Amino acid sequence: GESVGLHLPTLSVQEGDNSIINCAYSNSASDYFIWYKQESGKGPQFIIDIRSNMDKRQGQRVTVLLNKTVKHLSLQIAATQPGDSAVYFCAESFGNEKLTFGTGTRLTIIP
Amino acid sequence: DTEVTQTPKHLVMGMTNKKSLKCEQHMGHRAMYWYKQKAKKPPELMFVYSYEKLSINESVPSRFSPECPNSSLLNLHLHALQPEDSALYLCASSRGLAVITDTQYFGPGTRLTVL
Repeated sequence: GESVGLHLPTLSVQEGDNSIINCAYSNSASDYFIWYKQESGKGPQFIIDIRSNMDKRQGQRVTVLLNKTVKHLSLQIAATQPGDSAVYFCAESFGNEKLTFGTGTRLTIIP
Repeated sequence: DTEVTQTPKHLVMGMTNKKSLKCEQHMGHRAMYWYKQKAKKPPELMFVYSYEKLSINESVPSRFSPECPNSSLLNLHLHALQPEDSALYLCASSRGLAVITDTQYFGPGTRLTVL
């Protein structure tokens, strides 16, 4: 399943499938990007980050891709599980400036 | 350990009350943040402390008053709030504003309801 972030704030994916959550960021000078996961009633939880001098970074079951040409960030989650259901926020920053959060995408895993 | 703790978890207060939210971290972080998050919205930055000094105030009304007693603690004092101030208040910390690509770690938040 795939979302386009701002234009499709919800994404439903079958358990076991891969998920792709997209984010269009605003500042072409941003040099640091983070994905957070926020479950209902909890604070945002750090998932993975990437610097602007990279275009791909992998973690455990997650991969972040950065396309600076089109100012696009994506989070890929492999073999989604029920515990992956949450709202996912991308965030960007430039230098030591404050984090700017995207609007978020709600991911729902269908059993 | 990347834990930021916040108390209380829930708070209900009247518009004439005075209350405080507390945040604590023991990761040696020197930057601490307060965010406000309304339902189905991303977190909005309110204040940033760097080395116990207020570094950023995002034009927050004076009924919110932050305090950083030491490098591990951050308080948010509340007075004469309005019902529209009801939200989830999140605290975060990071290594320091001088650190490029500084990751912020969030606490679980305090769910505030103003009656």
